[in-house]
Amino acid sequence: SQKIEQNSEALNIQEGKTATLTCNYTNYSPAYLQWYRQDPGRGPVFLLLIRENEKEKRKERLKVTFDTTLKQSLFHITASQPADSATYLCALADRGGTYKYIFGTGTRLKVLA
Amino acid sequence: GAGVSQSPSNKVTEKGKDVELRCDPISGHTALYWYRQSLGQGLEFLIYFQGNSAPDKSGLPSDRFSAERTGGSVSTLTIQRTQQEDSAVYLCASSLVGREVNTEAFFGQGTRLTVV
Repeated sequence: SQKIEQNSEALNIQEGKTATLTCNYTNYSPAYLQWYRQDPGRGPVFLLLIRENEKEKRKERLKVTFDTTLKQSLFHITASQPADSATYLCALADRGGTYKYIFGTGTRLKVLA
Repeated sequence: GAGVSQSPSNKVTEKGKDVELRCDPISGHTALYWYRQSLGQGLEFLIYFQGNSAPDKSGLPSDRFSAERTGGSVSTLTIQRTQQEDSAVYLCASSLVGREVNTEAFFGQGTRLTVV
C-alpha cells in the first residue's frame, strides 16, 4: 500500500541546535517533494521544494535532502529558534497519478528556549 | 485575490443537515485542492480540480460528498446528510498548474466543521 510516514512523536530540541525531521514514502514515484509549515489554527505554508534529480536544497536556515533510493527526505532547521516551533508536513506529487499533493501526517517540533 | 479565501471559517450543523463550504482560490490558479484534517492528524486528500474538471475524486469518502468548480475559480464542497465523523477542518488550496509543474500550493485558513 502507499504510505507517507513522518515521526508521529513530537520533537523537542534546545534552542540553537539543529532539528532534523524525516519523511519516508512507500509505493510512490514522486516527481518532487515539498515541505510545509503549519501553525495551530492555520493552513500549511510552503517552505521548500526539491526535485527528484536534486540531492539537496537550501534556503536560509533550512535544508532539505531527497534520496530516491532510500525513498526518504530529511528536513533540517539549523540554529533553531522558539519561533520555529510548529508542525512540519512533507508532501509529494506522485507522477503515477494526477500530480496531486499527498501529505504526510506531520511532525510537531518544539524548540525550547 | 490576495490569498485563498474560505467561508465560513466555522460551521456548526446538526447531524443529517447538508452543508456547503466555499473556496475562492488565488486569481489565475488553475489547480484547486480540497483536503480534510481531523484533530491532530495529517491532511487527507479529497478532490483535485484542474480548471473546472476534476481528474481526481479518489479521496471523497462517500457519495454524500461532492464538489464543483465554476468559471475555473470558485469551488464549493457539499456534504449531504452530515454525520458526526464529518467533523474536521476542511482546507482548500490552489496552485498555478497542477500537473508536471512543480509549484507550491497556497492554502486557505480552513473551515472548521462541527456536526452535533
